[in-house]
Amino acid sequence: RKEVEQDPGPFNVPEGATVAFNCTYSNSASQSFFWYRQDCRKEPKLLMSVYSSGNEDGRFTAQLNRASQYISLLIRDSKLSDSATYLCVVNSPTTDSWGKLQFGAGTQVVVTP
Amino acid sequence: GAGVSQSPRYKVAKRGQDVALRCDPISGHVSLFWYQQALGQGPEFLTYFQNEAQLDKSGLPSDRFFAERPEGSVSTLKIQRTQQEDSAVYLCASSANRGLGNQPQHFGDGTRLSIL
Repeated sequence: RKEVEQDPGPFNVPEGATVAFNCTYSNSASQSFFWYRQDCRKEPKLLMSVYSSGNEDGRFTAQLNRASQYISLLIRDSKLSDSATYLCVVNSPTTDSWGKLQFGAGTQVVVTP
Repeated sequence: GAGVSQSPRYKVAKRGQDVALRCDPISGHVSLFWYQQALGQGPEFLTYFQNEAQLDKSGLPSDRFFAERPEGSVSTLKIQRTQQEDSAVYLCASSANRGLGNQPQHFGDGTRLSIL
């Protein structure tokens, strides 16, 4: 079983609609959580960190549920430019404490006109 | 530089050849990471450097893979006797501080490696 699991999608979303998707992680000791965005054939780029109390960045809202070990991302008022693969990223502490990042396989979002 | 730079952007090699991939991190960044990304998958950790010290190489898939960062800036990932399963995108990332895992990592464009 992979340490970080995501629904691969695709989530087909009409422009202007809201889309939300989750990611589950298996290591209960994980401490840091992120959403990265990756466009086709491009490098991953940090979208936002995920904080325990939940946080917003414009049209994007991230939530963390430690008890159930999942994080979520919600995109409001979807734009065509939001079409991308969204990677869930979890920091898994190692014995020497440097903190390895574990990536999910990504959730594909396609925003349609 | 402005961002993480990787070269070459594309590399085609015959099975059994050796390849070397270069990463030039953001100037002054202490931490440097190498990842392997197969088609349809997320990046998988290969190795981590803090300055010139390779602190974690647990993700390197075999002893054919070797990475170095001799002066604490540019890094090279070398793959010896390449196999078809080595075909992937190799991503390099850097971060400003030592890799505590809560620091954002900045990725390069990657090197697309195809082994024929």
